[in-house]
This record gives sequence, C-alpha cells and structure tokens, in this order.
Amino acid sequence: EVVMTQSPATLSLSPGERATLSCRASQSVTSTLAWYQQKPGQAPKLLIYGASTRATGIPARFSGSGSGTEFTLTISSLQSEDFAVYYCQQYNNWPLTFGGGTKVEIK
Amino acid sequence: EAQMVDSGGGLVQPGGSLRLSCAASEFTFDDYALHWVRQGPGKGLEWVAGVNWNGDFKGYADSVRGRFTISRDNAKNSLSLQMNSLRTEDTALYYCAKNILTRHASGTKDAFDIWGQGTLVTVSS
Repeated sequence: EVVMTQSPATLSLSPGERATLSCRASQSVTSTLAWYQQKPGQAPKLLIYGASTRATGIPARFSGSGSGTEFTLTISSLQSEDFAVYYCQQYNNWPLTFGGGTKVEIK
Repeated sequence: EAQMVDSGGGLVQPGGSLRLSCAASEFTFDDYALHWVRQGPGKGLEWVAGVNWNGDFKGYADSVRGRFTISRDNAKNSLSLQMNSLRTEDTALYYCAKNILTRHASGTKDAFDIWGQGTLVTVSS
C-alpha cells in the first residue's frame, strides 16, 4: 500500500498569506495525485488532479506541483473561504490512498 | 448539474448487514468508474471500494475485502455497497464518488470529481 504523508498537520495563517501544503508518497505515484478541500459538514471537493491540473471552477490561486513522491499544493493568497482541511490522494496503485490531511486555520 | 445522492445508512449491531445505495443523475452513468469512500468520526478519508464502468472489475480496501461487495446497475443509474459482518470500526460517513475522466480516457483508478452528500453508518450494540 502506498502511504501518503501530509505536512504540516495544521497551518495557521492570516487571510492574504500564501499557504504551502506538502504531500509525500512512500513510493512513486508518477503524476496521479489529487488534492481535495473539505469544509465541516460537507463532502470533499476536488481541487487538483494529475498533480497540477485545476478542476473545473477552481480559482487560479490554487496550484499543484510535483511528481514521483513529492507534491505541493499552493494557495497564493488565502481567502476566508479557503480555511478548511486539505487531503491528497494517489490513484496510481491499488488500494487508492489518502493522506491524513492538513488543516488550514485562521491565525 | 451532475449529482450523486447516497442513502441507506443507519444503526446496526456488530455482525449485522446494511446495504447502501447511490443514485446518480445528469451524467452518462456507464461512462464512469465509481467508488465508495468513508470517513470515520473526526478522522480522514479512506477509500473503500471501486467498480469499473460495466461492473467487470471491482477493487476493495483490505479492511473490507470479503465483507463488502460493490455493485452497479447501469440501467437504473445506481451504485450499491452491500456491507456484511459489520464491525464497530466500520462506523463512518460513507460517500459515493465518480471518476473525473470517462472510461475512454482513464481506467478504474482516478480522481473523484462528484461526491454524494454522505450517509452515516453506525455499528454499535
């Protein structure tokens, strides 16, 4: 099983600041990596797939990068609606696996 | 707008069974692989099972293999998860989800762009 490790567990930032979230895979997953945003009481929302392609309707302030085992989700300037939990997911190998999540909270 | 609606959750005793359903609309159902993902109380996301576009291929997490069965009915635009021999650790919110890419562009493994709202399964005596 590919283990996905996200860091940090919690990120405390102010609106307007840049957020950098990391996701590491225990073995290469090439570019088959997705990022999701989840707010309390809601289903996860797809932000990025293929490591760097934004899903439909996702603002340009969200960007993804990386390949192999190291991936990054960057939010260029945090808006109030961006404070949430973010998960990475690999879909290169069975079973599909998610990271433990990074909570982006208001400082 | 594409939509998936989960149902069938409830309270069940350990060792019991439950069947979850997911109704899909506003997309070509048999063009996509489908999945179940769960989230325990206060926990992260865990992929449970997936099925390809015509039901010929099914994949399961080790934690549910042999106890859960995923199936789909393309004529009814519906996805199901039959859960047997339930354990307390199966307590979670269960979501159905679809692949972002069609079967012509992707296999069963993919990112998920449409999710149901979730249905709560509680396993407790």
